[in-house]
Amino acid sequence: AQKVTQAQTEISVVEKEDVTLDCVYETRDTTYYLFWYKQPPSGELVFLIRRNSFDEQNEISGRYSWNFQKSTSSFNFTITASQVVDSAVYFCALSEERDNQGGKLIFGQGTELSVKP
Amino acid sequence: NAGVTQTPKFQVLKTGQSMTLQCAQDMNHEYMSWYRQDPGMGLRLIHYSVGAGITDQGEVPNGYNVSRSTTEDFPLRLLSAAPSQTSVYFCASSPGTYPLAKNIQYFGAGTRLSVL
Repeated sequence: AQKVTQAQTEISVVEKEDVTLDCVYETRDTTYYLFWYKQPPSGELVFLIRRNSFDEQNEISGRYSWNFQKSTSSFNFTITASQVVDSAVYFCALSEERDNQGGKLIFGQGTELSVKP
Repeated sequence: NAGVTQTPKFQVLKTGQSMTLQCAQDMNHEYMSWYRQDPGMGLRLIHYSVGAGITDQGEVPNGYNVSRSTTEDFPLRLLSAAPSQTSVYFCASSPGTYPLAKNIQYFGAGTRLSVL
């Protein structure tokens, strides 16, 4: 069955530290997509990145980087030189192509990141 | 630049009351959905719609009703509110282009509901 696990419930770091948020997924589908969303204290969900199952190239966007490893079914998210504004809940999500009649997302439990000044 | 608009932002209900959570999008998206967010459980899909007149159940549909009479609107109805329905509710939309799984879901700001 499909599942997304974010084992880290809460992480607390001091500003400028690097931090990695872990995401492990389970799926039987060969074609799928992985997403990261950010939920700041204001509550809305903000899309960060999408990855498809055939593209294992790592991606970097400013201080953010993502490491997708199919061999370990992981899609980890690293923030370099963290800032207070990075404080939020981060969600990893999976969307499978097979039998997916609406593009529905399967979410992990979320990791609450707190960056202290 | 509205995107996905949810109303109300906050609501308190008594057990047994009914209400409708409103969701509207102005991006001409075909696909719309409702999720609920509970502590430690991430977001779970309640109902979704792939176009006007078409709806289907998600993972946790019991106690909720939906309809989609227009492309823009996708209201969620609580028929008889229960304390277990205390949650934060998010509406989302996406273009509905193929492959559907690839679509980015755009979320509203959420409705925080408490049922006493």
